[in-house]
Amino acid sequence: AQKVTQAQTEISVVEKEDVTLDCVYETRDTTYYLFWYKQPPSGELVFLIRRNSFDEQNEISGRYSWNFQKSTSSFNFTITASQVVDSAVYFCALMGAGNNRKLIWGLGTSLAVNP
Amino acid sequence: DSGVTQTPKHLITATGQRVTLRCSPRSGDLSVYWYQQSLDQGLQFLIQYYNGEERAKGNILERFSAQQFPDLHSELNLSSLELGDSALYFCASSPSMVSVQPTDTQYFGPGTRLTVL
Repeated sequence: AQKVTQAQTEISVVEKEDVTLDCVYETRDTTYYLFWYKQPPSGELVFLIRRNSFDEQNEISGRYSWNFQKSTSSFNFTITASQVVDSAVYFCALMGAGNNRKLIWGLGTSLAVNP
Repeated sequence: DSGVTQTPKHLITATGQRVTLRCSPRSGDLSVYWYQQSLDQGLQFLIQYYNGEERAKGNILERFSAQQFPDLHSELNLSSLELGDSALYFCASSPSMVSVQPTDTQYFGPGTRLTVL
């Protein structure tokens, strides 16, 4: 069975702190895809990144970076120098390689960045 | 703005009633997905359509049904509504299901918040 675990339910930081959101996944597929989405207080789901299982390169996009490690089945997300606008719920999701393109979601981590 | 539109944004109705949620995918996207986000169960996949045909079903109740029309918009019908159906319903679209390409990410609409009283 496929599963995504985000053990951190809530995180609170002060602006400019770095913060890492953890994501651990389970799958028997050899090919799979991992995603991070952001849900700000307004409620929409915003795509942040997608990573293929055969590409373990870490990625950096501005203040955001992602660390994908197949050996530990983890796909962690780091925000550097956090800002108040980063306050949101962040979801990690998994998609298998079959014809079913459904996303399996973690329960999300609620990040509060305080001024 | 993801390019996926959903209407209505909010819906308040009573138990036992029937409602229809509408989704227009991004231009050119053939696949539509419906998800339910509730406080107790989080985000759950309901159903997927590709070019008018049902492709996958998740935890969708028998009281719920969906379809995708020739113009590719989709509707999710919820009937005999119960208090527990209150949730945020998201529609997402992606270009195709044939292969997962960099462009095959699911992009989400703003959601429809359903409140059943």
